[in-house]
Amino acid sequence: SQTIHQWPATLVQPVGSPLSLECTVEGTSNPNLYWYRQAAGRGLQLLFYSVGIGQISSEVPQNLSASRPQDRQFILSSKKLLLSDSGFYLCAWSSGLETQYFGPGTRLLVL
Amino acid sequence: GDSVTQMEGPVTLSEEAFLTINCTYTATGYPSLFWYVQYPGEGLQLLLKATKADDKGSNKGFEATYRKETTSFHLEKGSVQVSDSAVYFCALKVSGGYNKLIFGAGTRLAVHP
Repeated sequence: SQTIHQWPATLVQPVGSPLSLECTVEGTSNPNLYWYRQAAGRGLQLLFYSVGIGQISSEVPQNLSASRPQDRQFILSSKKLLLSDSGFYLCAWSSGLETQYFGPGTRLLVL
Repeated sequence: GDSVTQMEGPVTLSEEAFLTINCTYTATGYPSLFWYVQYPGEGLQLLLKATKADDKGSNKGFEATYRKETTSFHLEKGSVQVSDSAVYFCALKVSGGYNKLIFGAGTRLAVHP
């Protein structure tokens, strides 16, 4: 069966520091991968998606970036965090069919 | 553009009460529709889905019917439990090649014993 992992689970970072969040998927090949952000008390905003290694599409201009160095690895990064980057970051995958499956999320607090 | 509108929460119910969470959508074409649930501190789990008009998705006692004529996908459960307390998200899949989902803002449900 397929599983999706995210780490770290929780992160507290100072403003201006770099960020690296990792997402990996097991049990499937060539998944579509997605990064979402959920701000406190709000819905989900799609940040990036990827249909293959090295292929990244951005939905929202911001100081975040994403990379996909391996088929089942998706990384969310920032060179300098802003206060507004605080939130709950969710990674998801789909097989090319319709349903997306979500990871447990990373809670990021920027102080 | 495509969008999803959910009723605002929080919704507070007593155990065994009937639940309805309204969801309406705007979309071009014929989107697939989903309900996801987020329990406290966790990621999202797919609750149910429907892929075409008049389809009924169901799972764990929850149901939702894809109503094309009213562009709605309301979530219902006949008798809620305390363990159903969570945030519920309605979503639609945009027609296209990478399965983009558009989510509603979420509705928080609190069930009291």
